[in-house]
Amino acid sequence: DGGITQSPKYLFRKEGQNVTLSCEQNLNHDAMYWYRQDPGQGLRLIYYSQIVNDFQKGDIAEGYSVSREKKESFPLTVTSAQKNPTAFYLCASSIDLNSLYEQYFGPGTRLTVT
Amino acid sequence: GENVEQHPSTLSVQEGDSAVIKCTYSDSASNYFPWYKQELGKGPQLIIDIRSNVGEKKDQRIAVTLNKTAKHFSLHITETQPEDSAVYFCAASETAAGNKLTFGGGTRVLVKP
Repeated sequence: DGGITQSPKYLFRKEGQNVTLSCEQNLNHDAMYWYRQDPGQGLRLIYYSQIVNDFQKGDIAEGYSVSREKKESFPLTVTSAQKNPTAFYLCASSIDLNSLYEQYFGPGTRLTVT
Repeated sequence: GENVEQHPSTLSVQEGDSAVIKCTYSDSASNYFPWYKQELGKGPQLIIDIRSNVGEKKDQRIAVTLNKTAKHFSLHITETQPEDSAVYFCAASETAAGNKLTFGGGTRVLVKP
């Protein structure tokens, strides 16, 4: 099956710890994205990547970091500098960044930091 | 940057009735407007989209209309069914900004049997 996988589905961490969320796609898409979703709110863009070894900050990048070493993988690290890390995190991909194509979303990871 | 407002935030309809969700956007350069459906605990899925060279698009019970002059677009669901219950998001993007979407705040739709 083609698609986007995110793991784990639920993640619990203590305050002050960094945590990395996994995102893998087998759609052969060039562009990948990370969004954050808070209860009752829309999606906000954290980081996006147009191609391997390239990524750009979105609207709320502070306290987050990413890497894009492989086309199919775009892991997100939530650092201890992120003030309110508890949220639902969604990864997405699209054919490329420069054309207006559908973004395909993964199932999400719910992160709880206490 | 782009700002997208979505109304209402919640919508309760009787099965078989129609549901309408409205969005406004701020950037006149926006030219792509997708609608996503999100079921509980899952990622959003595209249900329909429209580009700025089209005023209306239909897909079975779902339709989207776009008014570029007024900078608003709407989702219409006819003959609603219980499985239409979900959260719906509108979004906007412009070619110059690449495929970066700005999302509305979402509408929780409940279809009562």
